Amino acid sequence: DTAVSQTPKYLVTQMGNDKSIKCEQNLGHDTMYWYKQDSKKFLKIMFSYNNKELIINETVPNRFSPKSPDKAHLNLHINSLELGDSAVYFCASKLAGASYEQYFGPGTRLTVT
Amino acid sequence: AQTVTQSQPEMSVQEAETVTLSCTYDTSESNYYLFWYKQPPSRQMILVIRQEAYKQQNATENRFSVNFQKAAKSFSLKISDSQLGDTAMYFCAFMNLNAGNMLTFGGGTRLMVKP
Repeated sequence: DTAVSQTPKYLVTQMGNDKSIKCEQNLGHDTMYWYKQDSKKFLKIMFSYNNKELIINETVPNRFSPKSPDKAHLNLHINSLELGDSAVYFCASKLAGASYEQYFGPGTRLTVT
Repeated sequence: AQTVTQSQPEMSVQEAETVTLSCTYDTSESNYYLFWYKQPPSRQMILVIRQEAYKQQNATENRFSVNFQKAAKSFSLKISDSQLGDTAMYFCAFMNLNAGNMLTFGGGTRLMVKP
C-alpha cells in the first residue's frame, strides 16, 4: 500500500500553462507539506498545512496555490508556468507532534519547456 | 531562521569501510530535531536516523550512527560496513518545533560506495 502518493510522477509542459500536482496520504496524518528540489538537488519547504489550514508559506510566488480539500489531500496548482519552475516537487505528511517523522511521496518531476 | 550546511558535496568509500558525512547548523532555537535522509537514484526520500536535541546520547540505527555535538552545532553521520546500496544523496535536516515542524535541509552529500 502506498503511504504518500503523488500524481503525476512526471509532467512536461510549456511556459505559460497552468498545471496541478496531486498528493494523497493514507496514513491518517494531519499535517502535509510541499517541498521543491531544484536541479542542484537543494530541497526547500514551500507550504505546510495542518488540518486543512495553511500554517507555512515560505516566500513562494503567488502563482503557486496549495489546496487541501481534506486532511488526506494537499494539491499544488501552478499558474503561468515559468522555466524556473522546473524541479522535483515532493509532498510529505506527518502526525502532529514533534516526535513523528515526515513521510515523503515519490516526487513529481516537472519540466517546463 | 536556521541554516544547515553540508561541506562535502561528494564523497566516496570502498565497500565494507566506514565513512563520515559532516553537517553543521545554525539556530537560536533550543528545542529541535535533526535528521539524516537518504535519496537514492529512485529519488525517494528515506529517513536514515533521527536525533532529538534534548537527548545527549547519540542515535544509532544498525550501521548508521550520529555524532551530535550540540554546543558546536554539529551533526555528523557515520556509516559503518558500507554497502553498495548506500550509494545515494544524503541530506542533513533540521526540524524547528516552533515553526510547524517543517524541515530545513542542507545542500546534500553525494556518496558513492565502490566495490
